Amino acid sequence: DAGVTQSPTHLIKTRGQHVTLRCSPISGHKSVSWYQQVLGQGPQFIFQYYEKEERGRGNFPDRFSARQFPNYSSELNVNALLLGDSALYLCASSARQNSPLHFGNGTRLTVT
Amino acid sequence: AQRVTQPEKLLSVFKGAPVELKCNYSYSGSPELFWYVQYSRQRLQLLLRHISRESIKGFTADLNKGETSFHLKKPFAQEEDSAMYYCALSDAGGTSYGKLTFGQGTILTVHP
Repeated sequence: DAGVTQSPTHLIKTRGQHVTLRCSPISGHKSVSWYQQVLGQGPQFIFQYYEKEERGRGNFPDRFSARQFPNYSSELNVNALLLGDSALYLCASSARQNSPLHFGNGTRLTVT
Repeated sequence: AQRVTQPEKLLSVFKGAPVELKCNYSYSGSPELFWYVQYSRQRLQLLLRHISRESIKGFTADLNKGETSFHLKKPFAQEEDSAMYYCALSDAGGTSYGKLTFGQGTILTVHP
């Protein structure tokens, strides 16, 4: 079991650019959630997708978007990057909506 | 809106001593509470959830609705318990654990 895999592991972008983060859930898991973790804080919920539909959205601007593909992998997109978007982005998958989350190692995004 | 507070950012104890990591929450409904743990160089993982009422690695946590608390306890701490601990809340009434509200985390250090 490879666990939840995220790519890339690290990323450096410039303000105003766009970024795409990718997540592959554990095989058989149909739900994917995205979290942002700023240094020194706990993870903050961004999105949840289940069966390719958005099932929840956190308090983030419209610059943040996501989607889930037929194979249940997911992408998180962030447009018009700001310095404040610098954070660790965590992806978590679960078998069903009400199953415990399994987290990936995250993508460290630095915006300069 | 729901909120999870972990008042201690750092907690140090000696091996064999009891340990209690505090978690308080604010939520008007019936929440479901979780403890997640992150060991050094490992991914965030579920430690326990209140609905299971189980003991994992010697840790227990009791949901006290009157005090809105979900403190994590272990009678005899071990060095391998040193880690970052997050308390988290789900407000989805058991229908979805993908959207969690996390506390800021407590770094537990167990000294030999």
